[in-house]
Amino acid sequence: DTGVSQDPRHKITKRGQNVTFRCDPISEHNRLYWYRQTLGQGPEFLTYFQNEAQLEKSRLLSDRFSAERPKGSFSTLEIQRTEQGDSAMYLCASRLRGGGPDTQYFGPGTRLTVL
Amino acid sequence: AQSVTQLGSHVSVSEGALVLLRCNYSSSVPPYLFWYVQYPNQGLQLLLKYTSAATLVKGINGFEAEFKKSETSFHLTKPSAHMSDAAEYFCAVSDNRGSTLGRLYFGRGTQLTVWP
Repeated sequence: DTGVSQDPRHKITKRGQNVTFRCDPISEHNRLYWYRQTLGQGPEFLTYFQNEAQLEKSRLLSDRFSAERPKGSFSTLEIQRTEQGDSAMYLCASRLRGGGPDTQYFGPGTRLTVL
Repeated sequence: AQSVTQLGSHVSVSEGALVLLRCNYSSSVPPYLFWYVQYPNQGLQLLLKYTSAATLVKGINGFEAEFKKSETSFHLTKPSAHMSDAAEYFCAVSDNRGSTLGRLYFGRGTQLTVWP
């Protein structure tokens, strides 16, 4: 399977701990997106990479959140000093380069529970 | 700014009945529109997308959607529901310019229940 993969699939942590999630996009896709989905809501945009450059960050991405894509391949999303409000599904998506409406392919997500 | 409204957070139909899931959008530019499906504990899977070609778009699993500019709508339909269609469905509009190119704005989703 050459789809988008995310690791871990589930993470339970205590409030105040740091967590890191990983996303491996489809290999030829240069654009990578992170979204957050809370219960009963649609996914909300967090941040976007084109190759290794982080081009946009949502206001949802507080200073406790940081994302990287060091070599333009996989990406990591780190949350420092987690809070209960961070509990959500974190989704990663990738797409091909180009200005058209290329499809975003989503990974299975990482479900974070902060106790 | 782009936004999407999905009317009805829950829709229930009997197997074999018509499925209609409603989506209205707001966009300052000609939109690209998408429908995604999400099964429990899984990511989103694309059903279909509108890219300014044909206004009636056919997707996977027998779903289709019609883009109506005058109504700013992109409703999803399927003539005959199947038990396997039970899932959550999300309508999304794409940001198609500037630094956030490709960013998706999602509706709140519609949970489809199919009963025998």
